Amino acid sequence: DVVLTQTPLSSPVTLGQPASISCRSSQSLVHSDGNTYLSWLHQRPGQPLRLLIYKISNRFSGVPDRFSGSGAGTDFTLKISRVEAEDVGIYYCMQALQLPYTFGQGTKLEIK
Amino acid sequence: EVQLVESGGGLVQPGGSLRLSCAASGFTFRSYWMHWVRQVPGKGLVWVARIKTDGSHTAYADSVKGRFTISRDNAKNTVYLQMNSLRAEDTAIYYCSVYDFGLGSWHGWGQGTLVTVSS
Repeated sequence: DVVLTQTPLSSPVTLGQPASISCRSSQSLVHSDGNTYLSWLHQRPGQPLRLLIYKISNRFSGVPDRFSGSGAGTDFTLKISRVEAEDVGIYYCMQALQLPYTFGQGTKLEIK
Repeated sequence: EVQLVESGGGLVQPGGSLRLSCAASGFTFRSYWMHWVRQVPGKGLVWVARIKTDGSHTAYADSVKGRFTISRDNAKNTVYLQMNSLRAEDTAIYYCSVYDFGLGSWHGWGQGTLVTVSS
């Protein structure tokens, strides 16, 4: 199985400041079709999971442009340029390259 | 807007069975693969099963293979998860989700339904 390792597991951030989450994969997530199936999800307390970023760096519909994704191969990063109060919650990276689809452990974003 | 509403969770004894349902709306259900993912409260996410658009292909996590069955009824816009021989370690919140091959990811999730396996 593909293992995704996120760092940090907890991130206290001041409102208006940037935040960054890393996701490292145990193997390359590049598919034979040339796409890299790495996504980022956000889970807010009491709310459904929400897709933020797909295929490394593509923002899903309605996602603010303060969210950005980058990386390649086995190393990926989610960045929030200026954290807002609604950004609190847990962020997960996930891979859809191969079964079983797997997730990182999650990174809890909190406001200082 | 994608809406997924899970139901059918509850308390069941070890060895028992439950059938979860997920009612979908806001998208062309018959055109999308559907998945179930679970989460022990306070813990991470674990993929459970998936089913193709017409139900002709299914796949399962090793931990549930042979005990769980995913199915769908495109006329009712509903996906199901039949869970048999339940174990304490199956206790979790179960979410259904819709997979978009164009995105290579899941673009909609339900609120989840809690399954508790305990005597």
